[in-house]
Amino acid sequence: KAGVTQTPRYLIKTRGQQVTLSCSPISGHRSVSWYQQTPGQGLQFLFEYFSETQRNKGNFPGRFSGRQFSNSRSEMNVSTLELGDSALYLCASSGGVVYNEQFFGPGTRLTVL
Amino acid sequence: SQQGEEDPQALSIQEGENATMNCSYKTSINNLQWYRQNSGRGLVHLILIRSNEREKHSGRLRVTLDTSKKSSSLLITASRAADTASYFCATDYRRGSTLGRLYFGRGTQLTVWP
Repeated sequence: KAGVTQTPRYLIKTRGQQVTLSCSPISGHRSVSWYQQTPGQGLQFLFEYFSETQRNKGNFPGRFSGRQFSNSRSEMNVSTLELGDSALYLCASSGGVVYNEQFFGPGTRLTVL
Repeated sequence: SQQGEEDPQALSIQEGENATMNCSYKTSINNLQWYRQNSGRGLVHLILIRSNEREKHSGRLRVTLDTSKKSSSLLITASRAADTASYFCATDYRRGSTLGRLYFGRGTQLTVWP
């Protein structure tokens, strides 16, 4: 099976702009989780979607949003970008019903100038 | 915080030596997973160990879980320079509010010198 894919791999934006990141999960997986990784805060959970519904959300401002489509592909959007949003954004997919075994994509490196 | 904590923060060894990393967590878990991350890249899933398991092996990797001590260890035997990476443990807690969420520690940076 193909792994988790994320596009784009790299992005450079300026403050105030918005950005949309995409994640395609492993075929058959219905859960997609998003994480932000920074040197200062480490890996932080953003949100999780399952069958097009957001089931869980981390402690991020409303500028961070996401959605999931019927084919399980997911997007996350960040509006009004701030310098502190510069990070590696990782998505993970999971197909387990009992065990939350997550497989990660390569990440999108976002730089905000 | 429900995050796990890895120990040590950094580990430097020679090729051929064994590397042991530890992870401690705070409350009851469904499972614990170990990941590897090469600089700036995505996380590679190494092993998942369930709460009712005590030990698992995968190639040169051996993971143990002690739920009474709320700790896990990852052993890499006969390390290679290619094992140089950051290693993270991630816990999946039992509480319903944690659906789809893993809690990560800060990681152990392993450097293997040729």
